[in-house]
Amino acid sequence: NAGVTQTPKFRVLKTGQSMTLLCAQDMNHEYMYWYRQDPGMGLRLIHYSVGEGTTAKGEVPDGYNVSRLKKQNFLLGLESAAPSQTSVYFCASRPGQPYEQYFGPGTRLTVT
Amino acid sequence: AQSVTQLGSHVSVSEGALVLLRCNYSSSVPPYLFWYVQYPNQGLQLLLKYTTGATLVKGINGFEAEFKKSETSFHLTNPSAHMSDAAAYFCAVTTNSGYSTLTFGKGTMLLVSP
Repeated sequence: NAGVTQTPKFRVLKTGQSMTLLCAQDMNHEYMYWYRQDPGMGLRLIHYSVGEGTTAKGEVPDGYNVSRLKKQNFLLGLESAAPSQTSVYFCASRPGQPYEQYFGPGTRLTVT
Repeated sequence: AQSVTQLGSHVSVSEGALVLLRCNYSSSVPPYLFWYVQYPNQGLQLLLKYTTGATLVKGINGFEAEFKKSETSFHLTNPSAHMSDAAAYFCAVTTNSGYSTLTFGKGTMLLVSP
């Protein structure tokens, strides 16, 4: 099993550009999450999904959109990137129980 | 609402010394508690978890944590630090609601010197 994978690993964007981050999991997990990690801030939840076709807002959803068209994939979109979105983005998934989340390796995004 | 406080953004120990990383949580319902470790330029890896039952839980690499409800704490310990333990450690809390999300602390960087 590959577990949770993220594409791309690194990306540099100019302000105003758009992009999509892809998260894929091969563990048949129902729940998937997108976090951002900034120095001194820990991980903050952007959006999450409790099943195929569903999404919900997390703690810091502004400026991001998500889609879960297939159970194994969870996409994070930035429509108009801003320097404040420079961060490391992590995707995670979990089964119904026992609630532990499995993390991908992360995507380092820089917006100039 | 739930929250996590990790005391100390950086903790320094010598190799072979005791490691103590502090975590206090706030939750209005019985919590499920986790410690994750993040090595440089990697994702988060589960170290250990408490859901129900025994309050002293053991994890990988000699780490353990004790759930103390009266103190709302879940401190992480290791009796003997290794150089390879140098990493960022995150405490997280959730509840047993199916839709419940994880709330993370801001993390503690463990530095191990020879």
